[in-house]
Amino acid sequence: DQQVKQNSPSLSVQEGRISILNCDYTNSMFDYFLWYKKYPAEGPTFLISISSIKDKNEDGRFTVFLNKSAKHLSLHIVPSQPGDSAVYFCAAKEGGASYGKLTFGQGTILTVHP
Amino acid sequence: NAGVTQTPKFQVLKTGQSMTLQCAQDMNHNSMYWYRQDPGMGLRLIYYSASEGTTDKGEVPNGYNVSRLNKREFSLRLESAAPSQTSVYFCASSERGPSEQYFGPGTRLTVT
Repeated sequence: DQQVKQNSPSLSVQEGRISILNCDYTNSMFDYFLWYKKYPAEGPTFLISISSIKDKNEDGRFTVFLNKSAKHLSLHIVPSQPGDSAVYFCAAKEGGASYGKLTFGQGTILTVHP
Repeated sequence: NAGVTQTPKFQVLKTGQSMTLQCAQDMNHNSMYWYRQDPGMGLRLIYYSASEGTTDKGEVPNGYNVSRLNKREFSLRLESAAPSQTSVYFCASSERGPSEQYFGPGTRLTVT
């Protein structure tokens, strides 16, 4: 039972255009969502997060949108750069836990072409 | 600050052999985690330690044991390795509450 799903295994965009990565979840108890970026042979690195009390969080070129009624979040990267090429994972945390146990999606490989 | 460190980076084991993956963090975090990453599966939680002195099973604990040696160190042991345990293993740490996890560089393990 996959509680966090990234249904697009890969995405290819041109440099300068917008990249939109999507993530769906099924567990209504999730209250905190994160996006991680992973380069080959490295560990995932934190990118941006959003609490369930918000519907948008922005950090430079990265914006995360949360639609609680649809149980859907998306990551927008504008403008996309070749250095953004990586695997992107969305993750979610259940409310009520004092520790940060996360459930991850399968990942989406983003390729940004020069 | 080194962040989260893992040793070894690579390891090849024969079926039935045992080994311990080491993890240490220097960020004074309370919580630590072990994940495995397999193609098309994302990261799956093996075990976690919410705080020093406690450990709990995650999503895929079978075949593994853990030890929270102190606040800094959290080790993962494979008692009798199986080919199904071929994977990339990541250790992570975090503060309490809703905060991001910081990951180590990973250990690539192959079991033949």
